[in-house]
Amino acid sequence: RKEVEQDPGPFNVPEGATVAFNCTYSNSASQSFFWYRQDCRKEPKLLMSVYSSGNEDGRFTAQLNRASQYISLLIRDSKLSDSATYLCSKIQGAQKLVFGQGTRLTINP
Amino acid sequence: NAGVTQTPKFQVLKTGQSMTLQCAQDMNHEYMSWYRQDPGMGLRLIHYSVGAGITDQGEVPNGYNVSRSTTEDFPLRLLSAAPSQTSVYFCASRSIQAYGYTFGSGTRLTVV
Repeated sequence: RKEVEQDPGPFNVPEGATVAFNCTYSNSASQSFFWYRQDCRKEPKLLMSVYSSGNEDGRFTAQLNRASQYISLLIRDSKLSDSATYLCSKIQGAQKLVFGQGTRLTINP
Repeated sequence: NAGVTQTPKFQVLKTGQSMTLQCAQDMNHEYMSWYRQDPGMGLRLIHYSVGAGITDQGEVPNGYNVSRSTTEDFPLRLLSAAPSQTSVYFCASRSIQAYGYTFGSGTRLTVV
């Protein structure tokens, strides 16, 4: 079983919609959590860190639930430019960063 | 500031050949990692390093060797390439003070 699991999608939503992704993880000792964004045939780029208290960056909100061992990403008022693959990830131990399979999102006009 | 530089960008190997994928960063980052990305599998960690002279295995280390003789460089070696190693390889680095990893643009490797 992978340490980080996420629904690969694809998710197809209309522009302006709200879309949410969840990601579950194993190993409760995991320390830090992140969402990365990856455009087609490009390298991943950090989107945002995830904190237990929840954190927001513009239209993006990330949440961590340690009791249930999942993290989430909410995108409000989605734009065409949000189309990408979203990767959840965690760091544990000696800076071992591992990723889920990625969720592919397409925003339709 | 070049960031993380990977070479080559594309490579075709024959089964059994060896090669080294180069990764260099100019940001004085302590942590460096190698990943492979295959369709439907996401990014899988091959090897990682927390500093010069220190390396450790990730999720899929078999068939790959690494070394970290300097802070800047973290080469990945394939000793005897196999078709199963056809993939896109990413190198990444980060500093102790920051959370986010910076990725290189990737090496697309095909083994025939």
